[in-house]
Amino acid sequence: QITLKESGPTVVKPTQTLTLTCTFSGFSLSTSGVGVAWIRQPPGKALEWLAVVYWDDEKRYSPSLKSRLTIAKDTSNNQVVLTMTNMDPVDTATYYCAHRRIIGATRSFDPWGQGTLVTVSS
Amino acid sequence: DIQMTQSPSSLSASIGDRVTITCRASQSISSFLNWYQHKPGKAPKLLIYAASSLQNGVPSRFSGSGSGRDFTLTISSLQPEDFATYYCQQSYNTLWTFGQGTKVEIK
Repeated sequence: QITLKESGPTVVKPTQTLTLTCTFSGFSLSTSGVGVAWIRQPPGKALEWLAVVYWDDEKRYSPSLKSRLTIAKDTSNNQVVLTMTNMDPVDTATYYCAHRRIIGATRSFDPWGQGTLVTVSS
Repeated sequence: DIQMTQSPSSLSASIGDRVTITCRASQSISSFLNWYQHKPGKAPKLLIYAASSLQNGVPSRFSGSGSGRDFTLTISSLQPEDFATYYCQQSYNTLWTFGQGTKVEIK
């Protein structure tokens, strides 16, 4: 059974750097084809994909946030870390990590973690 | 970026109603389209992948169709547990994008 859980600060101040950790079980990021993604949802708004890291250390970022994001994997500890610099109140959101699944040629996010709410406020 | 546009943004329906949600991509994405269900305070749940394949454990009242740019999620007989927000997502390229969501509310 695959599970993921997000952890990190619940409140950060404007201009600070946010660091979130996704701790997972039931799969290994050293296995070919595996990936872990970060997605967020501001209150009352839609889901927004942020970044993904793959087993081969390939990384992809949302073009609109690329300059502020870094994703890294820690295979030995089954963790993926997302950092976002220069936080702003508009970055207030629930942040999710998810397992990138492959079936044939198709890719999807399944399952997801429960999410962690991050509030940006001074 | 591939833009995904859902309609409607919200709808009100009664138990037992047939509900249809549409999703349009800004370019052809073949069948690389997923649907998710999201309830407040819960993790989003994969319902449909590859446009029309039902995820294991998802009730058969959910179905998906379409290819190219236009896709549909249908709930054949709405149940109380189906009140949620539904999102489409393209997986055609590695810059994943979601639609803006469709909130299904009780009439």
